[in-house]
Amino acid sequence: GENVEQHPSTLSVQEGDSAVIKCTYSDSASNYFPWYKQELGKGPQLIIDIRSNVGEKKDQRIAVTLNKTAKHFSLHITETQPEDSAVYFCATHTGGGNKLTFGTGTQLKVEL
Amino acid sequence: GAVVSQHPSRVICKSGTSVKIECRSLDFQATTMFWYRQFPKQSLMLMATSNEGSKATYEQGVEKDKFLINHASLTLSTLTVASAHPEDSSFYICSAREQGPGSPLHFGNGTRLTVT
Repeated sequence: GENVEQHPSTLSVQEGDSAVIKCTYSDSASNYFPWYKQELGKGPQLIIDIRSNVGEKKDQRIAVTLNKTAKHFSLHITETQPEDSAVYFCATHTGGGNKLTFGTGTQLKVEL
Repeated sequence: GAVVSQHPSRVICKSGTSVKIECRSLDFQATTMFWYRQFPKQSLMLMATSNEGSKATYEQGVEKDKFLINHASLTLSTLTVASAHPEDSSFYICSAREQGPGSPLHFGNGTRLTVT
């Protein structure tokens, strides 16, 4: 089955700096790569996603890059703000297109 | 945007009782919903895939007689934890897909279950 690794597990940045979270996956058939933000006590919220036919996607301060050859994709957050502090999960679409496999999560802390 | 509502947000029950959690897609129809379990500081573990009008598909190791799933309509799926025990205490989260495979998955806000 699919194996998704996510790094780092924790990340502290100063407000205004950039944050980068990376994920690698094993199933070359994976074709959809979403990123979720989870705040304490809440469910994950989809923040950006990318499909395998695209190498990069940007939405304001958030961007995702995908390298299908190397089987890794990354989340980039620029000009970080305290409200960006949360746990971020990457995921891949597997199982014939029906299931998501999640990474292990990254606790991002944006310090003032 | 697509909204998934989950109820209750918190429940405390005594060991041996059953607990029902509801998951509703508010502004779209969901032929498929998913139920996850999350332990503190860990990732989401898929428990089962709920298909409208048919039996749920359970992941390996998940007891289908313990975690009963019903997907009676295109907007509602329920998870019943039967005869709950303290080890069932966890954060349960449902999700629903707007369209077919490959479309975005939207999550409810989870249910914190505590079994005493």
